Amino acid sequence: DVKVTQSSRYLVKRTGEKVFLECVQDMDHENMFWYRQDPGLGLRLIYFSYDVKMKEKGDIPEGYSVSREKKERFSLILESASTNQTSMYLCASRIRASNEKLFFGSGTQLSVL
Amino acid sequence: AQSVAQPEDQVNVAEGNPLTVKCTYSVSGNPYLFWYVQYPNRGLQFLLKYITGDNLVKGSYGFEAEFNKSQTSFHLKKPSALVSDSALYFCAVRDPTGANNLFFGTGTRLTVIP
Repeated sequence: DVKVTQSSRYLVKRTGEKVFLECVQDMDHENMFWYRQDPGLGLRLIYFSYDVKMKEKGDIPEGYSVSREKKERFSLILESASTNQTSMYLCASRIRASNEKLFFGSGTQLSVL
Repeated sequence: AQSVAQPEDQVNVAEGNPLTVKCTYSVSGNPYLFWYVQYPNRGLQFLLKYITGDNLVKGSYGFEAEFNKSQTSFHLKKPSALVSDSALYFCAVRDPTGANNLFFGTGTRLTVIP
């Protein structure tokens, strides 16, 4: 089975801290995605990556950056965490074809105090 | 622009009864449509997809969905609900001529009552 692993299940940070969320997939997928999930808003795309060292902004990239130095790893970076970034963060991966399904990690619940 | 709407935040159904979770979409071309399910404290899991072909699509756990182009809908259905079907369900759409990512609805919480 495909496995998408997010490094932390729960994370508590303080306002202004730099936060790294890590995601690793083990199926050699080209595409990787970061979403945030908020009640009543569903999933919103932050960034995605077609392949190594490639990245594209999603619908809500402000306040975030990403890094894809290796194919299996896609990192989400909050340069200076703010309270409105408290959310559930979901990583997903997929083979190159866009009609294929996404495989999701279990999520990281980030609280910024 | 692409968008997807799930008009019901919450659906309650008795165990053994048929269930429907509604989804409508808006894309400029022929859509790719997906349903995902999220169980408590878990990531999303793929249920089924429509890309082309037969309008009735069968998926995991006995779920199916019907693509209706004239009504721009892709409702999720199951003939007989189980308590274990209680979860959060997301519809997603992609316009194949647009950006290479899925656009998700806001989710519908399904509760199956024993």
